[in-house]
Amino acid sequence: DAGVIQSPRHEVTEMGQEVTLRCKPISGHNSLFWYRQTMMRGLELLIYFNNNVPIDDSGMPEDRFSAKMPNASFSTLKIQPSEPRDSAVYFCASSLDRHLGELFFGEGSRLTVL
Amino acid sequence: ILNVEQSPQSLHVQEGDSTNFTCSFPSSNFYALHWYRWETAKSPEALFVMTLNGDEKKKGRISATLNTKEGYSYLYIKGSQPEDSATYLCAFIFGNEKLTFGTGTRLTIIP
Repeated sequence: DAGVIQSPRHEVTEMGQEVTLRCKPISGHNSLFWYRQTMMRGLELLIYFNNNVPIDDSGMPEDRFSAKMPNASFSTLKIQPSEPRDSAVYFCASSLDRHLGELFFGEGSRLTVL
Repeated sequence: ILNVEQSPQSLHVQEGDSTNFTCSFPSSNFYALHWYRWETAKSPEALFVMTLNGDEKKKGRISATLNTKEGYSYLYIKGSQPEDSATYLCAFIFGNEKLTFGTGTRLTIIP
């Protein structure tokens, strides 16, 4: 398996633009997680899905952020409109079990909002 | 909000020396503890998932112990090598809640 695949790897955009980050989890994994890495807060969980259903989105910063998982092999994280404070590295991870399964992380999407 | 605390925040160790660091967490309603290794410019990689009090796990020169009653886990590295330089994260689950990461211990091995 190729592992968790994220795209784009790097995104530079202007404030106010829509940003869509994509993730393909490892085949057979039933849990998918979106994390954001910042200098101030480290690795923070934004949202996670179990069997394509959002379980906990309490980490989503505000209404500008939304995430979907239309099927078991694809998820998106959308920011609309983007702001400079959204600049961060966004990681997607998947696991076989949302509690006991180790997380397999993608390489991350580095977002810069000017 | 239940917090995971890791100490020290950073650590410099001479190559060949052994070292250890701590992850502290609330002991009530414990479910599982994860350890991850995060090298610069890469993504985190899982080391261990631990669930039972007294659990000890080992992978090569790295091992971990778990004490759920007092709420801590230790990660040990024996005979440190330059490739061990990384940030080591622990993550904790209580009850049926989400996995919460600590801020990590940044380990630098001095050749």
